Amino acid sequence: GDSVTQTEGQVTVSESKSLIINCTYSATSIGYPNLFWYVRYPGEGLQLLLKVITAGQKGSSRGFEATYNKEATSFHLQKASVQESDSAVYYCALSDRSAGNKLTFGIGTRVLVRP
Amino acid sequence: EAAVTQSPRSKVAVTGGKVTLSCHQTNNHDYMYWYRQDTGHGLRLIHYSYVADSTEKGDIPDGYKASRPSQENFSLILELASLSQTAVYFCASSVGTGVAETLYFGSGTRLTVL
Repeated sequence: GDSVTQTEGQVTVSESKSLIINCTYSATSIGYPNLFWYVRYPGEGLQLLLKVITAGQKGSSRGFEATYNKEATSFHLQKASVQESDSAVYYCALSDRSAGNKLTFGIGTRVLVRP
Repeated sequence: EAAVTQSPRSKVAVTGGKVTLSCHQTNNHDYMYWYRQDTGHGLRLIHYSYVADSTEKGDIPDGYKASRPSQENFSLILELASLSQTAVYFCASSVGTGVAETLYFGSGTRLTVL
């Protein structure tokens, strides 16, 4: 079945520094899956941060970027300069036609940005 | 304001007891979902529904029932709660089930079964 592997545990980074959260995937679909990053801020529900449905394309939102790399089966999330407000849990996910378009999530990566 | 609201925010239940988690959405979405998250696992789909009075099994439905009495409301029922059902539960809604569909989540219910 489909699976998503992302940076485990907590990542601590100082404000204004760069951040990268690794995400790799495995999908059973004959075609290519669609890839997502969701974010959960403290006390809130998950919300979509960005998505990319075409291999080779890049998605961006709120200063974050992720590129759909089908050769490496990766979808790493990056930000050049983080702010304290970026402290949250980040989830990589994929949807796959062969799985009825259901979302498969990674375990989530907690990001703590220190002032 | 939040368009998907869950209640309660947290709950402590006893083993063998009945637990009902509630979800209400104001998005006017047809699809609603229940997920659980455990330490070391991503969110996993328990049940979902695409129309009132109908529910479907997700990937891990054992030990859970679901109820969709109206488009806005979707409940998850644990008839006999067990220790292994301690987790954080998320409700979500979506317009449809397109391959690039966006889900809108509630803030979660933390359930502890003792």
